[in-house]
Amino acid sequence: DAGVTQSPTHLIKTRGQHVTLRCSPISGHKSVSWYQQVLGQGPQFIFQYYEKEERGRGNFPDRFSARQFPNYSSELNVNALLLGDSALYLCASSPRGGVSNQPQHFGDGTRLSIL
Amino acid sequence: QKEVEQNSGPLSVPEGAIASLNCTYSDRGSQSFFWYRQYSGKSPELIMSIYSNGDKEDGRFTAQLNKASQYVSLLIRDSQPSDSATYLCDRGESGGGADGLTFGKGTHLIIQP
Repeated sequence: DAGVTQSPTHLIKTRGQHVTLRCSPISGHKSVSWYQQVLGQGPQFIFQYYEKEERGRGNFPDRFSARQFPNYSSELNVNALLLGDSALYLCASSPRGGVSNQPQHFGDGTRLSIL
Repeated sequence: QKEVEQNSGPLSVPEGAIASLNCTYSDRGSQSFFWYRQYSGKSPELIMSIYSNGDKEDGRFTAQLNKASQYVSLLIRDSQPSDSATYLCDRGESGGGADGLTFGKGTHLIIQP
């Protein structure tokens, strides 16, 4: 079975631009979470979606938005990019979305560099 | 805040010794705990899950959970250089929505040949 897939793998943008990152969860997983990971830090939670509804949002500005589609894939959008947005963006899927004790499965991430 | 705390390290351990990684959490409602290993520049990969008090062993890895004291640990026996990585503790969800505060910042483990 295919794991979590993310695209693109690498991306270079300039300040002020917009970016869209994509994620396809493991088949059967209905929950998708997005994380930002800066070098040397643990993953910082951005969003979780379950059954196309936002279930949680981390401490990120409104420039960050996301959505989940009927097939459970997801997009993360970031507007007005700043140098500080340079990071590895991780997508994770899991069956959980309620009181479910299943681990998350991560994609390989998208490395975003802002020039 | 339902935080997860880990010592960021680096934790340096000689090859062949036991590496002990610790994690404390504040949310008493947490029921499930996961350890992930992350190599530099790669994504986290699940290595252990634990749901009940006590020890759970899987090969060279042992996870220990003490809900009364609110800590979970990971022991790596016969440490190998390939174990050098950052280890992330995840407390899982305790219900009531995703607060996202499930991951610790990770412990950087270095196994010295």
